[in-house]
Amino acid sequence: EAGVAQSPRYKIIEKRQSVAFWCNPISGHATLYWYQQILGQGPKLLIQFQNNGVVDDSQLPKDRFSAERLKGVDSTLKIQPAKLEDSAVYLCASSQGTVYGYTFGSGTRLTVV
Amino acid sequence: ELKVEQNPLFLSMQEGKNYTIYCNYSTTSDRLYWYRQDPGKSLESLFVLLSNGAVKQEGRLMASLDTKARLSTLHITAAVHDLSATYFCAVPHTSGTYKYIFGTGTRLKVLA
Repeated sequence: EAGVAQSPRYKIIEKRQSVAFWCNPISGHATLYWYQQILGQGPKLLIQFQNNGVVDDSQLPKDRFSAERLKGVDSTLKIQPAKLEDSAVYLCASSQGTVYGYTFGSGTRLTVV
Repeated sequence: ELKVEQNPLFLSMQEGKNYTIYCNYSTTSDRLYWYRQDPGKSLESLFVLLSNGAVKQEGRLMASLDTKARLSTLHITAAVHDLSATYFCAVPHTSGTYKYIFGTGTRLKVLA
């Protein structure tokens, strides 16, 4: 089966600019997650979708981050305006909602200068 | 707030040696996950531990879960260079959810 697709792989922007990341989950996976992984740390959940509804966005900095999952398939994560501390790898993951865990995409490495 | 701690954070070991990575978590959970991450790559699922006393083995890696002690171990037997990576454990935030809290990671370097 095809894995979780993410794009772009890398992005460099200046602070205060905006950026968007795209994720296409594994076909049939109802649950989609966006994680932020700062260098040297474990991933931190930003937002969880079940189909096209938000289940948990308690860790999402809503003043600058937004995410949507239209039609319950692809998802986009946007940052506007970006800050230096947003430099991280943004990982998308999907699951069938079972206890067997997620499948992660390859991630987007964001550098804010 | 759920805390997931791993130790050691860094581990440098010689090929052929054995070692154990520890993952402690602060609230009750009957599930725990281990992931591997190579530099610049995404996370790959290694083990899914679903009950107290669960033990899983794959090659030179063996993971176990003690839910009463809130502890999981990842044991490396006769390490080889290919095992060099960062290893993360993850625990569900609350029972029955799929929001995982990840540990800080253990960066393993196996020296030839």
